Amino acid sequence: EAQVTQNPRYLITVTGKKLTVTCSQNMNHEYMSWYRQDPGLGLRQIYYSMNVEVTDKGDVPEGYKVSRKEKRNFPLILESPSPNQTSLYFCASRVNTGELFFGEGSRLTVL
Amino acid sequence: AQSVAQPEDQVNVAEGNPLTVKCTYSVSGNPYLFWYVQYPNRGLQFLLKYITGDNLVKGSYGFEAEFNKSQTSFHLKKPSALVSDSALYFCAVRDMRGSGGSYIPTFGRGTSLIVHP
Repeated sequence: EAQVTQNPRYLITVTGKKLTVTCSQNMNHEYMSWYRQDPGLGLRQIYYSMNVEVTDKGDVPEGYKVSRKEKRNFPLILESPSPNQTSLYFCASRVNTGELFFGEGSRLTVL
Repeated sequence: AQSVAQPEDQVNVAEGNPLTVKCTYSVSGNPYLFWYVQYPNRGLQFLLKYITGDNLVKGSYGFEAEFNKSQTSFHLKKPSALVSDSALYFCAVRDMRGSGGSYIPTFGRGTSLIVHP
């Protein structure tokens, strides 16, 4: 079954404690991206990757890092989380026909 | 630059009635247009897209959308709403000539569709 898998699905952490949200896809897609969803703001792109070892900033990259060492994985790293990073995060990969395939989301709360 | 506007935060409709969720866009070139649906506590799911060809596009769950180039709109429609259609709907646009940063879609803020029994 085609999937984009994110972990953890839910996380409560404290300010400054580094965390990683993993994302893995089993569809051999080259393009992957991370979004955050906030009420009233819709979806905003954090980072994207066109292929292995190729990453670039989206609209709201501050406070985040990513890596793309292999095609299937695209982890999102928060080196020093702050309360304004409390959000719902989505990883997505792109189908050859153009549409995005989303994970189920990771709800992060930073206290 | 590309942008999307969904002018309604919420749309209310009675079950069995037709529904429309509005979307307008702005791109430099020709658009790729998408609709996604998000059910509670779920990720976004692709509904339909317009790339080229017929202005009326049919998608999943009986939804369709009409591309109107002169009005730069891509409204989502369904002839007869179901209570189970209640969800958050996102419109997205990508410039067909895009590369790099514009090779990826820009999303609207979403419209909450509520279908009343």
